[in-house]
Amino acid sequence: DTGVSQNPRHKITKRGQNVTFRCDPISEHNRLYWYRQTLGQGPEFLTYFQNEAQLEKSRLLSDRFSAERPKGSFSTLEIQRTEQGDSAMYLCASSLVGAGQGTSEQFFGPGTRLTVL
Amino acid sequence: AQKVTQAQTEISVVEKEDVTLDCVYETRDTTYYLFWYKQPPSGELVFLIRRNSFDEQNEISGRYSWNFQKSTSSFNFTITASQVVDSAVYFCALSVPTSGTYKYIFGTGTRLKVLA
Repeated sequence: DTGVSQNPRHKITKRGQNVTFRCDPISEHNRLYWYRQTLGQGPEFLTYFQNEAQLEKSRLLSDRFSAERPKGSFSTLEIQRTEQGDSAMYLCASSLVGAGQGTSEQFFGPGTRLTVL
Repeated sequence: AQKVTQAQTEISVVEKEDVTLDCVYETRDTTYYLFWYKQPPSGELVFLIRRNSFDEQNEISGRYSWNFQKSTSSFNFTITASQVVDSAVYFCALSVPTSGTYKYIFGTGTRLKVLA
């Protein structure tokens, strides 16, 4: 399967614990995005990488959230000291954008559903 | 500020009926992109179409068609002869060149239920 993959698919944790999610984008894609989706809402942008550089972070991304893409391939999203309000689906997407090209469609992974008890 | 409004929260139709999903967007940018995605019960967002702000030509792909009208800031999606497999949540999204990100701004989605 050459699509975007995310692990784990489901995570249940207790409030105050740290969690880490992984995203493997489509291999040749240079952009990687993280979104959060709560029940009945559309996905909301969290952060984005161009290769290994994290170029933008949403105000939704509090100091407890950190994302990395160390070698410009896979990415991790860590949430420290989880709160019940962090319960959501965390979606990863990737795209290939060439020089001078404005945008390209994003391909989404299946998401990681986080439940904080 | 950019915004996408999908006023229809849920629509139910009987199989073979035609159905139109509405999308209204707001942006002051002259260059932007519009998208439709399908989210079936499995949860994975599936890309359906991309349209840039300079191309108002309507598009048809099989049973799907899209009507882009800049004058009303709308990008509506019609499914002809709906099928049960079309049941899903459909999202309209806007992408603008803010900081070069081209991040998506999604609407709240329209849940389509096609009844056999």
